[in-house]
Amino acid sequence: AQSVTQLDSHVSVSEGTPVLLRCNYSSSYSPSLFWYVQHPNKGLQLLLKYTSAATLVKGINGFEAEFKKSETSFHLTKPSAHMSDAAEYFCVVSVVSGTYKYIFGTGTRLKVLA
Amino acid sequence: DAGVIQSPRHEVTEMGQEVTLRCKPISGHDYLFWYRQTMMRGLELLIYFNNNVPIDDSGMPEDRFSAKMPNASFSTLKIQPSEPRDSAVYFCASSLSGSTGTQYFGPGTRLLVL
Repeated sequence: AQSVTQLDSHVSVSEGTPVLLRCNYSSSYSPSLFWYVQHPNKGLQLLLKYTSAATLVKGINGFEAEFKKSETSFHLTKPSAHMSDAAEYFCVVSVVSGTYKYIFGTGTRLKVLA
Repeated sequence: DAGVIQSPRHEVTEMGQEVTLRCKPISGHDYLFWYRQTMMRGLELLIYFNNNVPIDDSGMPEDRFSAKMPNASFSTLKIQPSEPRDSAVYFCASSLSGSTGTQYFGPGTRLLVL
């Protein structure tokens, strides 16, 4: 069975410093993994996705994530945080069975300090 | 494409009233998902359709909830009668089979039941 764990419920960084949001997954098969961002009172926007191509995935707004099979991790990073990055971030694994169901992590709320 | 469209964006109703939420998926997508998001329970999958057919409704809370997809471009989620505990943000998402299963989310309907 697939599962996903976001290791931090809250992360605070100063503007201009690096961002690291951690995600571990469990899957019996080669997973599809996603990161979504949700700004306050908004819907979920796709940041990036991993689908068994390159292990380093680049997304929008300067975010990237690296798929590490040996560590079963898919951490999200950004070199320099911006105030507009303050939001909730969800790590997601797609169920491998042709159903395309998502398993959501519990979310990490990112706070960016001026 | 305009993306996934949901209406209304906000709904305030009184307990016992019928509520109907609407969703138009991205044209050509053959999967449609309904989610509910609350602070206490996070994101929950309620039901999803493939080619207009309900595939898994195990997440529907109880018989007060029903969902239909009469054609490929329209779906409804109905709550009858509504209760205060149904207050949440309801999201619709769509995806295309044969792809990576990436889901694209609508902006959500914020429901408040008084």
